Amino acid sequence: DGGITQSPKYLFRKEGQNVTLSCEQNLNHDAMYWYRQDPGQGLRLIYYSQIVNDFQKGDIAEGYSVSREKKESFPLTVTSAQKNPTAFYLCASSIAPLTATNEKLFFGSGTQLSVL
Amino acid sequence: DQQVKQNSPSLSVQEGRISILNCDYTNSMFDYFLWYKKYPAEGPTFLISISSIKDKNEDGRFTVFLNKSAKHLSLHIVPSQPGDSAVYFCAALSGGYQKVTFGIGTKLQVIP
Repeated sequence: DGGITQSPKYLFRKEGQNVTLSCEQNLNHDAMYWYRQDPGQGLRLIYYSQIVNDFQKGDIAEGYSVSREKKESFPLTVTSAQKNPTAFYLCASSIAPLTATNEKLFFGSGTQLSVL
Repeated sequence: DQQVKQNSPSLSVQEGRISILNCDYTNSMFDYFLWYKKYPAEGPTFLISISSIKDKNEDGRFTVFLNKSAKHLSLHIVPSQPGDSAVYFCAALSGGYQKVTFGIGTKLQVIP
């Protein structure tokens, strides 16, 4: 049963702490993405990766870091430099880098991060 | 600067009637548009899309209309069902860019 798995579903962060959100996919997709959703705002792109060992900053990368050591995995670290980390984080993947003929993103079920 | 705008945060429709969700965009470089549906505590799922070279795309109860001159698209759901109650995101993609730009979403409630 192919899909994208995000864990944990809920995560709490203390002041000054780094936390890592997990994202694993078994869809054999090349590209993976991290989005953040805040109330009253659309999904905003944090980072994306088109291929293993390569990733690019999105619109709101400050305070976040990622790695792409394996095709299946794209973990997101929320560092202490991210001053407003409370949000719903969504991981997504696509078959190949996005084009007008391959435009679909497949999303995980999300991680709700809150600050203690 | 919101390039994809969904100006109606919520919409209520009676079961069996038509639901019309609207979306406006400002970037004329967008050449593909998508609608995603999202239930609470779940990730969005792809619903329907349309290329900028078309003005209509239909898939079952869902039809998307694109008016390029007005930079406007709409999603029609006919007939609306209670299971359609969700948040609908309008999104856009421009060729050569590796990201999708999303609107803020419209929460649809279909009343039985």
